[in-house]
Amino acid sequence: GQNIDQPTEMTATEGAIVQINCTYQTSGFNGLFWYQQHAGEAPTFLSYNVLDGLEEKGRFSSFLSRSKGYSYLLLKELQMKDSASYLCAVRKQDGQNFVFGPGTRLSVLP
Amino acid sequence: KAGVTQTPRYLIKTRGQQVTLSCSPISGHRSVSWYQQTPGQGLQFLFEYFSETQRNKGNFPGRFSGRQFSNSRSEMNVSTLELGDSALYLCASSLPRGGSNEQFFGPGTRLTVL
Repeated sequence: GQNIDQPTEMTATEGAIVQINCTYQTSGFNGLFWYQQHAGEAPTFLSYNVLDGLEEKGRFSSFLSRSKGYSYLLLKELQMKDSASYLCAVRKQDGQNFVFGPGTRLSVLP
Repeated sequence: KAGVTQTPRYLIKTRGQQVTLSCSPISGHRSVSWYQQTPGQGLQFLFEYFSETQRNKGNFPGRFSGRQFSNSRSEMNVSTLELGDSALYLCASSLPRGGSNEQFFGPGTRLTVL
């Protein structure tokens, strides 16, 4: 089977740090992606992990543990514009065959 | 470089009708994927086309089909529409394979089935 879990909603304060977790069980693994989706807009790419460890990209970092089927997205110095849904997605073995998680709706409060 | 474009942006159909949606990928991108997004099911993979061939397929009934043309533009078709087909249909394009070849999403087509 294929299953990706994320918390449904999270709330954080402007300037703070938030960690969004993602656990997955999929048949085949060829990378884990995080996307940001603002309400009414298309998803946009944030990060990619294929090996274990931390990938840092400005205010955003993503971590992967393949043995645990676990990833997290870390957002630092939160800004109001970071209020959005964050989608965790696993790419299966070949091609662009993705399984997406349900998304985590993040609300950043002043 | 122009982004992924989808037409139409909004569509209203009735049950039993069929619909065709169009997607033009970013220039140079040969892989085009289609997704259905609904509040209840989230983002679900429909199929991927590369070089005019369907390379991957999700778990959707045969009423959902697609094709890709030699210029990489893609269309998806849904026949015998059902109320549950109401959704945002997203198209994404990417370079063909390997690495962090992220997908670039189009704005989507909002389909409402009455």
